[in-house]
Amino acid sequence: DGGITQSPKYLFRKEGQNVTLSCEQNLNHDAMYWYRQDPGQGLRLIYYSQIVNDFQKGDIAEGYSVSREKKESFPLTVTSAQKNPTAFYLCASSIPGQGLEQYFGPGTRLTVT
Amino acid sequence: KNQVEQSPQSLIILEGKNCTLQCNYTVSPFSNLRWYKQDTGRGPVSLTIMTFSENTKSNGRYTATLDADTKQSSLHITASQLSDSASYICVVHQAGTALIFGKGTTLSVSS
Repeated sequence: DGGITQSPKYLFRKEGQNVTLSCEQNLNHDAMYWYRQDPGQGLRLIYYSQIVNDFQKGDIAEGYSVSREKKESFPLTVTSAQKNPTAFYLCASSIPGQGLEQYFGPGTRLTVT
Repeated sequence: KNQVEQSPQSLIILEGKNCTLQCNYTVSPFSNLRWYKQDTGRGPVSLTIMTFSENTKSNGRYTATLDADTKQSSLHITASQLSDSASYICVVHQAGTALIFGKGTTLSVSS
């Protein structure tokens, strides 16, 4: 059963702690993306990766970090430097070239208190 | 500025009724326009994708239209069902660069 998985679905952390969100895909897609979704706002791009061992900052990369050591995996770390980390985080993948369709994971809701 | 504006922000309709959601964009250069459906707490799922030359595309009870001259798109839902309750997101691909996301229209279908 092909698709994108994100875990956990809900995550709670204390302010000042780093936290890593998991994203795995078995669609054999080269490109992967991380978005942040806040109420009443459109999705905003955090980081993207077109190929293994390479990634680029999106519009709101400050306070986040990523790695792309395997084609299937693109974990996102929310660091303590991110001022407003509470949000819904979505991972997506696609064949390189954003003209083609992006497939989204189920999302992780992160709450930091 | 490259923007995607959706209207209305929210909509409530009775089950079985039709509705139309609007999307206006100022993105240039244009590559394609997509409509996604996002259930609460879930990831978006693609409904349609249209390129410059396509005026209409259907996916079951969902029909999207595109007028590239006026930079407008609509999503028409026929014979709505309770399961259509969701957020509908219009996304425009700026050729060679980024996806520009609208803020979405929240549709509530009541019985």
